[in-house]
Amino acid sequence: AQKVTQAQTEISVVEKEDVTLDCVYETRDTTYYLFWYKQPPSGELVFLIRRNSFDEQNEISGRYSWNFQKSTSSFNFTITASQVVDSAVYFCALRAGSSGSARQLTFGSGTQLTVLP
Amino acid sequence: EAGVAQSPRYKIIEKRQSVAFWCNPISGHATLYWYQQILGQGPKLLIQFQNNGVVDDSQLPKDRFSAERLKGVDSTLKIQPAKLEDSAVYLCASSLNPRRGQETQYFGPGTRLLVL
Repeated sequence: AQKVTQAQTEISVVEKEDVTLDCVYETRDTTYYLFWYKQPPSGELVFLIRRNSFDEQNEISGRYSWNFQKSTSSFNFTITASQVVDSAVYFCALRAGSSGSARQLTFGSGTQLTVLP
Repeated sequence: EAGVAQSPRYKIIEKRQSVAFWCNPISGHATLYWYQQILGQGPKLLIQFQNNGVVDDSQLPKDRFSAERLKGVDSTLKIQPAKLEDSAVYLCASSLNPRRGQETQYFGPGTRLLVL
């Protein structure tokens, strides 16, 4: 079975603060993919990043950065110098396994980020 | 490139009525997914198609939900009869071909269903 835990239900920060969203995953498979999606109030899930289990290199894209650590089964997401437009629900997701239902994309419960002006 | 299209965006029905949702994936994407997202939760997979065949429908409530992708392109999800607990956002997503490692799923805007 696979599971994604986002322990932070809601986070509020003031604009320009840095914020880290936590994601812990569980899987017995050695090959898997991890994702982050953003869901603004409009409702559409916007793809942010995908990492595979063989690539632990951290990634930076503008104000966004991701820290993948297999040793702790975590894939945390940091927004630097947050902006009001970053306010949204952020989902971490896992896709693992080689066949059947194990290849489902399993989502965490999401973290509601509110950036205050 | 056009994204995943869904219609309608909103639907309000009474319990025991029927409803259908439509999805057109990104052009060339072999795999299509339907998800149900209940308020405050992450999306849950209902069904996955690879071209016009069903890959996974293990979480689809088959007594009331059905889906088809007859020509391997667009898809329809139906609920008949609807229950109050079906109130949710129904998301459609597509990916190029996960069997070839092209795993990333791209989502449409969703259909918000309210069952009264």
